[in-house]
Amino acid sequence: SAVISQKPSRDICQRGTSLTIQCQVDSQVTMMFWYRQQPGQSLTLIATANQGSEATYESGFVIDKFPISRPNLTFSTLTVSNMSPEDSSIYLCSSEGTGGNEQFFGPGTRLTVL
Amino acid sequence: GQQLNQSPQSMFIQEGEDVSMNCTSSSIFNTWLWYKQDPGEGPVLLIALYKAGELTSNGRLTAQFGITRKDSFLNISASIPSDVGIYFCAGQLSGTYKYIFGTGTRLKVLA
Repeated sequence: SAVISQKPSRDICQRGTSLTIQCQVDSQVTMMFWYRQQPGQSLTLIATANQGSEATYESGFVIDKFPISRPNLTFSTLTVSNMSPEDSSIYLCSSEGTGGNEQFFGPGTRLTVL
Repeated sequence: GQQLNQSPQSMFIQEGEDVSMNCTSSSIFNTWLWYKQDPGEGPVLLIALYKAGELTSNGRLTAQFGITRKDSFLNISASIPSDVGIYFCAGQLSGTYKYIFGTGTRLKVLA
């Protein structure tokens, strides 16, 4: 398994500002993932972050809006840029487990944009 | 984004009853995962399934990987109040590392 922490756990932000979310894994992993979970909805993959390469974004998500860093094998950040109320969601970080195929999640960051 | 069909969407049951939920798709998956999410928390992995036909248990939970590789179900036996939450299936598309999540089943247990 993998133990994942995220910071901040929640934030309330003003329209037009940006927020960077940090994700820390307790072991070295190749793949980390960022998801969005809108209120009352399921999880939608934003992008996959591999160390040493550019993040791979899913359809509907772009790097200018959601820049991602992956500086080492235990850490990643997701920035939500130029926020609008529609960005209010839970943002979840996950990583593969040490066994490979499983995914483990952090506690999430609950973002409210006013 | 793409999502799996998960049913039922929600259910109220009496404590002690058994619960069953399932996920179906037109796509083939090579791994199925089942998660539980409590309010304000991230999803917690309950069971992982890796082979078609595989039946795996974790305490009162039992899950199966469908023979066609297009579906999976989760059973909870003798439900208790702490089983309340949202359950998600997730399927890993064959040939990829990405998971697609089900629409979720919201479970409420009446004591």
